[in-house]
Amino acid sequence: AQKITQTQPGMFVQEKEAVTLDCTYDTSDPSYGLFWYKQPSSGEMIFLIYQGSYDQQNATEGRYSLNFQKARKSANLVISASQLGDSAMYFCAMFRGLGGAQKLVFGQGTRLTINP
Amino acid sequence: DAGVIQSPRHEVTEMGQEVTLRCKPISGHDYLFWYRQTMMRGLELLIYFNNNVPIDDSGMPEDRFSAKMPNASFSTLKIQPSEPRDSAVYFCASSSIYEQYFGPGTRLTVT
Repeated sequence: AQKITQTQPGMFVQEKEAVTLDCTYDTSDPSYGLFWYKQPSSGEMIFLIYQGSYDQQNATEGRYSLNFQKARKSANLVISASQLGDSAMYFCAMFRGLGGAQKLVFGQGTRLTINP
Repeated sequence: DAGVIQSPRHEVTEMGQEVTLRCKPISGHDYLFWYRQTMMRGLELLIYFNNNVPIDDSGMPEDRFSAKMPNASFSTLKIQPSEPRDSAVYFCASSSIYEQYFGPGTRLTVT
């Protein structure tokens, strides 16, 4: 079965510092996809970044990058130059199989607080 | 595009009443997902559709829950009868390939 583990329930970071949010996953399927979503206090779920298991390079989207270490089964999110608006819950998620959109399994989330 | 649209945004109802949640996916997306988020259980997939056909409903908690997608631009999630333990935020999401885009959610409170 698929499983996503986020070991940091909460993190506090100074504004402008880089932050790494940890995510490890467990699957026996060679084909899978990994996502990060941001959920601010307003409640919406915002897609940040996607990494496919066969992608050769780490995914990047603006200040977000995904540190994909396949052998270690980790998919950490790196946010460079953090901003106050980055304060939110962050969820790592995965699906198994690459035949199209599939159901996502989510981790429990990490609450990130950016201090001024 | 307006994104995924959900209505109502908030719903307060009494135990035993029927509740209908509505979703309009992003135009052109052929996958639609219904999720539920609670503090205890986190985010859980309830059901998903591909081209209006239900593909996996294994996450639907019990027979009180039903979902339909009569056309490519509309889906409903119905709870009948509702119970206090159904209180949660219900998200609809849509996708064309891999990335799933979520609606703003419906916060349901059953008293």
